[in-house]
Amino acid sequence: EPEVTQTPSHQVTQMGQEVILRCVPISNHLYFYWYRQILGQKVEFLVSFYNNEISEKSEIFDDQFSVERPDGSNFTLKIRSTKLEDSAMYFCASSEIPDRGQPQHFGDGTRLSIL
Amino acid sequence: SQQGEEDPQALSIQEGENATMNCSYKTSINNLQWYRQNSGRGLVHLILIRSNEREKHSGRLRVTLDTSKKSSSLLITASRAADTASYFCATDLLWFYFGTGTSLTVIP
Repeated sequence: EPEVTQTPSHQVTQMGQEVILRCVPISNHLYFYWYRQILGQKVEFLVSFYNNEISEKSEIFDDQFSVERPDGSNFTLKIRSTKLEDSAMYFCASSEIPDRGQPQHFGDGTRLSIL
Repeated sequence: SQQGEEDPQALSIQEGENATMNCSYKTSINNLQWYRQNSGRGLVHLILIRSNEREKHSGRLRVTLDTSKKSSSLLITASRAADTASYFCATDLLWFYFGTGTSLTVIP
């Protein structure tokens, strides 16, 4: 069964450094998402992306964050200048069509640790 | 806030028993979805129920939706040790809002 893959599985970065988290969504999916989950807390929506542009973004997704689909397969989340509070699991997800009535398929996440 | 809240926060049962988890939300929805998360893994979609549906089944899963009470329940029948995971409801408005989750432990 096709799956969403995320790399790296664990990223350790010094505070203030830039970090790029990578995702390969399921190949025929058109709608992409990033979520984060701070340890022990709920999964929080960051951003959705469709047709090469951001569809929605939450208040968490401030100017420090950006997303890009640099080629036909990758979907990246960049954090420009990391802060301690950015430490979390970051999940990428994709869905077949831009309909919230569709299930989202999640990757296994990247654990981001900011030192 | 649109956020769903699951109840109970934690549930421990013996294998073979049924597990019931509840989700309450605050505003009108179009759809409600249930997801499972095994420790250290991503979320796996279990079942979707639309606002005009009252009950839905998928294998050992049964989901109900009561839009008048703004609540949903997930029933797992004949639980197995492999069902041990956290279970989240997700409601949609502008985007998906996940609840705080119910941590289910099934004891073999």
